[in-house]
Amino acid sequence: EAQVTQNPRYLITVTGKKLTVTCSQNMNHEYMSWYRQDPGLGLRQIYYSMNVEVTDKGDVPEGYKVSRKEKRNFPLILESPSPNQTSLYFCASSFAAGRDNEQFFGPGTRLTVL
Amino acid sequence: AQSVSQHNHHVILSEAASLELGCNYSYGGTVNLFWYVQYPGQHLQLLLKYFSGDPLVKGIKGFEAEFIKSKFSFNLRKPSVQWSDTAEYFCAVNAAYNTDKLIFGTGTRLQVFP
Repeated sequence: EAQVTQNPRYLITVTGKKLTVTCSQNMNHEYMSWYRQDPGLGLRQIYYSMNVEVTDKGDVPEGYKVSRKEKRNFPLILESPSPNQTSLYFCASSFAAGRDNEQFFGPGTRLTVL
Repeated sequence: AQSVSQHNHHVILSEAASLELGCNYSYGGTVNLFWYVQYPGQHLQLLLKYFSGDPLVKGIKGFEAEFIKSKFSFNLRKPSVQWSDTAEYFCAVNAAYNTDKLIFGTGTRLQVFP
């Protein structure tokens, strides 16, 4: 089944404790992206990747890192999480950036930073 | 900078009522337009998209949207809603010259009562 998977789905952590949220897609998509969803703000893009080893900042990259060492994986890293990073995070992928930029979304990761 | 406005934050309807959700964007060039739906507890799914051609676009589950270039609008419509349409709806846009970034609106929460 074609899908985007994220792990973990739920995470409660404390300020400053490094964490990684994994994202994997099995559709051979070149383009991958991370969003955070906050009430009243909709989805905001954190980072995106056009292909392996190619990443770029979205609208809200501060406090986050990403890597794209393999085509299928695009982990989101919070080196020193803070409470303002408490949010619902979605990973998405698409065949390529372009006209057919229909993005397929993962199930989301709800992160709470205490 | 591009932006997307969804003025209806919360809409409450009875089953069989007609639905229209507003979406306006701010970008003067050629755009690609999308509506995504997020059912409770689920990830985002594409409802419909517009790239070019007929400005009236039909999507899944009886939804349609009309692109009115002069009004910078891409409103979502459904003639008769069902309880199962209860969800959050997001309009999104990317500029045709820069399809790397998909800008989302803040979302409209639709509640349909039997």
